[in-house]
Amino acid sequence: RKEVEQDPGPFNVPEGATVAFNCTYSNSASQSFFWYRQDCRKEPKLLMSVYSSGNEDGRFTAQLNRASQYISLLIRDSKLSDSATYLCVVRTSYDKVIFGPGTSLSVIP
Amino acid sequence: SQTIHQWPATLVQPVGSPLSLECTVEGTSNPNLYWYRQAAGRGLQLLFYSVGIGQISSEVPQNLSASRPQDRQFILSSKKLLLSDSGFYLCAWRKGADYGYTFGSGTRLTVV
Repeated sequence: RKEVEQDPGPFNVPEGATVAFNCTYSNSASQSFFWYRQDCRKEPKLLMSVYSSGNEDGRFTAQLNRASQYISLLIRDSKLSDSATYLCVVRTSYDKVIFGPGTSLSVIP
Repeated sequence: SQTIHQWPATLVQPVGSPLSLECTVEGTSNPNLYWYRQAAGRGLQLLFYSVGIGQISSEVPQNLSASRPQDRQFILSSKKLLLSDSGFYLCAWRKGADYGYTFGSGTRLTVV
């Protein structure tokens, strides 16, 4: 089992749709969780940290389920500018940071 | 505010040639610094990290090396490039363990 796994994608959704990305991790002692977005041929950029109680930033909501070792990212009211690859990132108890393979999103007019 | 600079943006090098990529961070001191590589269509692979001047940890055995001659400078080098060294090289820093990374704009290396 890979250390961090994500939905294989790609996701093609119309503008205004709600889309959810899922991520699972194998190390139950993992301590920090993040979502990054990476535009084509660009560097990854931090989208948001994921907190145990869940957190929201505008149209984006991140949730963590430690019991199931599962992280999610929900994007509401999708915009064309949301088209990118979304990377799930996990930091383990040994301070090892693992990037998931990413899920590609295309928002279609 | 903190900024990270990485150059060059694009590089085409022949097999067997040397490599030097530089990364500098401004606006902070004693950052943790990282070199990642992303092969085409693949995920990010950690190559090296450094927690201080002269301290380098290698994650993957390869023909690359890293150095940290100054607090906010991180250099990735190779004496002889291989075709398999092609990829998107990213430098990153972070404030501490619970913070996310901030990446430089990357260097797209093509070895021909």
